Amino acid sequence: GNSVTQMEGPVTLSEEAFLTINCTYTATGYPSLFWYVQYPGEGLQLLLKATKADDKGSNKGFEATYRKETTSFHLEKGSVQVSDSAVYFCALSRAGGGNKLTFGTGTQLKVEL
Amino acid sequence: DSGVTQTPKHLITATGQRVTLRCSPRSGDLSVYWYQQSLDQGLQFLIQYYNGEERAKGNILERFSAQQFPDLHSELNLSSLELGDSALYFCASSVLEDTQYFGPGTRLTVL
Repeated sequence: GNSVTQMEGPVTLSEEAFLTINCTYTATGYPSLFWYVQYPGEGLQLLLKATKADDKGSNKGFEATYRKETTSFHLEKGSVQVSDSAVYFCALSRAGGGNKLTFGTGTQLKVEL
Repeated sequence: DSGVTQTPKHLITATGQRVTLRCSPRSGDLSVYWYQQSLDQGLQFLIQYYNGEERAKGNILERFSAQQFPDLHSELNLSSLELGDSALYFCASSVLEDTQYFGPGTRLTVL
């Protein structure tokens, strides 16, 4: 079946540091890939997505590229801020016969001054 | 604000009881999804409805059921509650089978 593997957290960075959160997936066919973010006490917000190989999703300075050859969708940001502290979830979905999201375990990010 | 609303925000109840969680999708969205987020299981897909019909089923217990009404709002019914059912329950919606937008969740505590 489909699965998503994320790097373990928590990740602690200083403000303005470079962020990478690794995500790899296992799926048949061509899934769509997503990053969702969950701020403390809140629901899930869509951060970015990519629907086909080599697509780059980007939003609020975050980027991720759909790499089919390595089955990866790593999240990056060049300079993190304290306000980026949250839990980040990588997810995949396959259209047709339902569109359920399969999530990774989430990676907690803490950014300090 | 995603446009998906969920009520109630918090729910505290006792073992053996039954509760109903409500979700209103974004305007124009036909699909509604339910997910459970718990510390031990993470985020798990429960069930999907599309325009009133069940579309896909995930790890949903037999004690749980859902439906989508003609106005497209959905309800998740949880019965014979156990301590292990304590979790955050999220609803999401999408236009067809496209990007899903999540509501703020209902936190269920079973005592």
